Amino acid sequence: NAGVTQTPKFQVLKTGQSMTLQCAQDMNHNSMYWYRQDPGMGLRLIYYSASEGTTDKGEVPNGYNVSRLNKREFSLRLESAAPSQTSVYFCASGPKFDEQFFGPGTRLTVL
Amino acid sequence: QKEVEQNSGPLSVPEGAIASLNCTYSDRGSQSFFWYRQYSGKSPELIMSIYSNGDKEDGRFTAQLNKASQYVSLLIRDSQPSDSATYLCAVKTSGSARQLTFGSGTQLTVLP
Repeated sequence: NAGVTQTPKFQVLKTGQSMTLQCAQDMNHNSMYWYRQDPGMGLRLIYYSASEGTTDKGEVPNGYNVSRLNKREFSLRLESAAPSQTSVYFCASGPKFDEQFFGPGTRLTVL
Repeated sequence: QKEVEQNSGPLSVPEGAIASLNCTYSDRGSQSFFWYRQYSGKSPELIMSIYSNGDKEDGRFTAQLNKASQYVSLLIRDSQPSDSATYLCAVKTSGSARQLTFGSGTQLTVLP
């Protein structure tokens, strides 16, 4: 099992560009999450999906949209990237609302 | 006040010593508590979960929970240089049924 996979691993964008971060899990988990991690700020939840077909905002949703494409896949879209969105983005999944297992992350720089 | 607080460190211990990492939380209704280990440049890895007051041991790791005092700790016995990492405390707070709230992490260095 690959666990949680994310693409791309690295990305550089210019201000105003858009992109989609992809996440997939093969553990048959119902819940999936998107976090960003910034130095000194810890992990902050952007959006989550408790089950296929549902999504909810987390702590820092502004500037992002998500799609739960099916049970396996949960994508994060930046419509108009800003330098403040420079961060490391982690996708996670879990069998219930407690344990979460993380993907390898995407390092995004917005110039 | 942050919901989950950890000393940022860095915490340095000599090889073979016990490393003690602490975490406090503000939501008295919290029920689930987790410790994640994150190596530099890598993703967080779940190493311990604890749900009841008391101690839970797994190999060299012991998680301790005291709900009355609202703290959870992680002890690492016989610390090894490979334990050098940032340790994140995560709490499932009662006000966010589907979310974990993470502390900002404690950086641990085990000196050979």
